[in-house]
Amino acid sequence: EVQLVETGGGLVQPGKSLKLTCATSGFTFSNAWMHWVRQSPEKQLEWVAQIKAKSNNYATYYAESVKGRFTISRDDSKSSVYLQMNSLKEEDTAIYYCTWPGSKYWGQGVMVTVSS
Amino acid sequence: DIQLTQSPSTLPASLGERVTISCRASQSISNSLNWYQQKPDGTVKRLIYSTSTLESGVPSRFSGSGSGTDYSLSISSLESEDFAMYYCLQYATYPLTFGSGTKLEIK
Repeated sequence: EVQLVETGGGLVQPGKSLKLTCATSGFTFSNAWMHWVRQSPEKQLEWVAQIKAKSNNYATYYAESVKGRFTISRDDSKSSVYLQMNSLKEEDTAIYYCTWPGSKYWGQGVMVTVSS
Repeated sequence: DIQLTQSPSTLPASLGERVTISCRASQSISNSLNWYQQKPDGTVKRLIYSTSTLESGVPSRFSGSGSGTDYSLSISSLESEDFAMYYCLQYATYPLTFGSGTKLEIK
């Protein structure tokens, strides 16, 4: 059974940093292209970032809104993908989901609140 | 960026009714479109991928169609568990983009 479990969310002040982790199981993670998607309080979904597999040189892609502030990475030995979020803004407040296109289910999501 | 215009934003409907949700792209996306369902508890499930391929385990009352810039999701006979939020996603080009969502609610 495929599992995607996000952790690391919380309340953080503007300008600070936070790192999200998505621990996975149930599939061959090393071959998987992984994504982060977020959902604003207004329920709008926004794709955030993608990281490809080692065979694709771990290529990464970002939404313009997070480029230069967020970094997606992975550790194949731990079957985990990460999202390092720096210089956080109030508009980054959202539920963050980890997704793998090979599964019809997303993770349960983790809440990130950026507020002073 | 490719914009996805999803309509309607709210869709009141009755049990047993057939409904259709539309997703229009700002340029051709060559069938690179998925449909997702989100339940009130936040659980997200992909229903259809590549425009019209039904995910395993998804009831056959769901169907997807379209080409070029115009796509749709249909539910042939609404059941109680179908009342939820629905979103389309295009993955033809970066950045991937979502429609703004349709809330399917009980009339």
